[in-house]
Amino acid sequence: DTAVSQTPKYLVTQMGNDKSIKCEQNLGHDTMYWYKQDSKKFLKIMFSYNNKELIINETVPNRFSPKSPDKAHLNLHINSLELGDSAVYFCASSQEVRGAEAFFGQGTRLTVV
Amino acid sequence: AQSVAQPEDQVNVAEGNPLTVKCTYSVSGNPYLFWYVQYPNRGLQFLLKYITGDNLVKGSYGFEAEFNKSQTSFHLKKPSALVSDSALYFCAVRDGGSGNTGKLIFGQGTTLQVKP
Repeated sequence: DTAVSQTPKYLVTQMGNDKSIKCEQNLGHDTMYWYKQDSKKFLKIMFSYNNKELIINETVPNRFSPKSPDKAHLNLHINSLELGDSAVYFCASSQEVRGAEAFFGQGTRLTVV
Repeated sequence: AQSVAQPEDQVNVAEGNPLTVKCTYSVSGNPYLFWYVQYPNRGLQFLLKYITGDNLVKGSYGFEAEFNKSQTSFHLKKPSALVSDSALYFCAVRDGGSGNTGKLIFGQGTTLQVKP
């Protein structure tokens, strides 16, 4: 009974392609996030949505477009993929309460060739 | 600006010995502090958090952490390490001030290696 699930787990694609990563949470949380983990394992916030509304956009290239059809889903669409986009992308969710911990999905390892 | 520092890239400890993974933070308001663990090819798992109250926080798998406001530290500890504790550990902070947007700022991670 996975709390935060992302698909696909692995994604290998060519430069220039467009791809999407899907995320769903069944925890009833109001807030969802996308984080990026680079090859050195650094984790950085990309986006945050609260009740389908964009709250955080951390200077991510506009080739990355998150979409939240409802508060349980937050998808990430990436246009014109570049080699530097290769990373692990984590979806997460949390309650909209100060101090609430975030729950993370298993990650999507994106490899651009 | 908020920041988190984990000064050690790797910590090595023998099984059965106590372990400490260090974390220091910088925030403008009161900090909300978290520890997460990442096993290979897995997502991040929440271990424990400090919000307010007792400076010693107990979490999952026998881990605990001590909040020290004067030293702006939140070190992760365990009295007796297990080989299965070997993983990548992240400290994270969320600013508890009025500007809280919910995002976590992560440290660079510390690899814990527990040897039999």
